[in-house]
Amino acid sequence: RKEVEQDPGPFNVPEGATVAFNCTYSNSASQSFFWYRQDCRKEPKLLMSVYSSGNEDGRFTAQLNRASQYISLLIRDSKLSDSATYLCVVKGFPGGFKTIFGAGTRLFVKA
Amino acid sequence: EAGVAQSPRYKIIEKRQSVAFWCNPISGHATLYWYQQILGQGPKLLIQFQNNGVVDDSQLPKDRFSAERLKGVDSTLKIQPAKLEDSAVYLCASSLMKGAGGTDTQYFGPGTRLTVL
Repeated sequence: RKEVEQDPGPFNVPEGATVAFNCTYSNSASQSFFWYRQDCRKEPKLLMSVYSSGNEDGRFTAQLNRASQYISLLIRDSKLSDSATYLCVVKGFPGGFKTIFGAGTRLFVKA
Repeated sequence: EAGVAQSPRYKIIEKRQSVAFWCNPISGHATLYWYQQILGQGPKLLIQFQNNGVVDDSQLPKDRFSAERLKGVDSTLKIQPAKLEDSAVYLCASSLMKGAGGTDTQYFGPGTRLTVL
């Protein structure tokens, strides 16, 4: 089993749709969780951190479920500019430092 | 504020040759990361430095890959000799993190796209 797993997609949605991605992780000792966004042939950029209480940034909502060991990202009112790959990131395996990226979920938003 | 700088942006070599990549992190960032991203996959952490010390190199193929961060600022990643499967984008990132764990943001450079023929 991979340490961090994501549905690779692609997700094809129309503008204005709501779309959700899940990410599961295997190590219950994980400490920090993030979503990064990566545009085609570009470097990853932080989208948002994920907290146990859940957090929201505009149209984006992230949730963490420690009991089931998954995190989620919800995008409301999708825009064409949301088309990208969304990378789940888990940090802090025993030792406190290790960073694990998921393989990413591709999203295409169409007019 | 200047971002993470990497060079070269592109490199094409033949297998068994050597190659080196350079990274200059954001000023003041204590932690520097090197990742390998193969097409269609997420970035894989190769090595993480805190200042000039290595804190994680568990996924670095040490028989052919080496990295150093002299003086705790810029860093060099070397592959010697290269194999076909080393074709990937090599990403450098930096963060402020000065202690264990940490929730600070990693800022990535544009990457070096390596093709091994």
